[in-house]
Amino acid sequence: NAGVMQNPRHLVRRRGQEARLRCSPMKGHSHVYWYRQLPEEGLKFMVYLQKENIIDESGMPKERFSAEFPKEGPSILRIQQVVRGDSAAYFCASQFRPGQGNSYEQYFGPGTRLTVT
Amino acid sequence: QQQVKQSPQSLIVQKGGISIINCAYENTAFDYFPWYQQFPGKGPALLIAIRPDVSEKKEGRFTISFNKSAKQFSLHIMDSQPGDSATYFCAARETGAGSYQLTFGKGTKLSVIP
Repeated sequence: NAGVMQNPRHLVRRRGQEARLRCSPMKGHSHVYWYRQLPEEGLKFMVYLQKENIIDESGMPKERFSAEFPKEGPSILRIQQVVRGDSAAYFCASQFRPGQGNSYEQYFGPGTRLTVT
Repeated sequence: QQQVKQSPQSLIVQKGGISIINCAYENTAFDYFPWYQQFPGKGPALLIAIRPDVSEKKEGRFTISFNKSAKQFSLHIMDSQPGDSATYFCAARETGAGSYQLTFGKGTKLSVIP
C-alpha cells in the first residue's frame, strides 16, 4: 500500500520562474492538505482540498500561489514568479474521510524541497 | 500569534533515559492532538495522538499525557534510543472549523547519545 507520493523531491528554480509541485494521496484518500516548512520552523498550513474543490485556502498567500486537486491525477501546488522567500520544504498530507472514526489522521509525503536561486 | 507553543527547542538525553517534550495551547476548541516524528530530509510521520476525553495514551515506549484544565500536553519517550534522534512536532486541530488543518508547534530536536 503506497504512501503519499510527492514529486519532484528537489526543485531548483530561478527567481521569476514557475514551480509546480505534485502530490498523489494514499489509495482511498480523497482529501489533501498542503503545508510549508521553513528551516528550523514547524509546518504551516496552506490549503485544504477535496477532489475538484478547494475547501480552505486561508493559509495561502494571496498572490502567486494556487492549488488544485482534479478529478483525475495528483494535486498540484503552483507557485508563479518565485522569489527567494519561497525557498522551503512543501509537504502534502492526505486524509481518508475527516471526522469519521479514526480518520482524523493525516499522513504526510516526503516533501518537495524548493530552492529559489 | 503562535497557537501551539512547544518546548524545549532542543533536548539531549542519554540512551535509556526519558525524553519529555511539552506543548501548550490557547484555543479551547482544539480537540485532537497528534505528535509527529521527522527525520532529516523526510516527511513528518504520525507517532501517537490523543483526544481530550482521556488524560493519557500509551503506545509502546511513547506516552502522551494530557491536562485539559492547564491546556497542556506532553510526549514522554521511555528508554530513549539513538534511533529516536529526530525532530518532534506537537500539533492540534480544531473541530467544527470546516477545515481539518493541523496547527503545529515549532518542533523539538531530540538527540539521544549512547
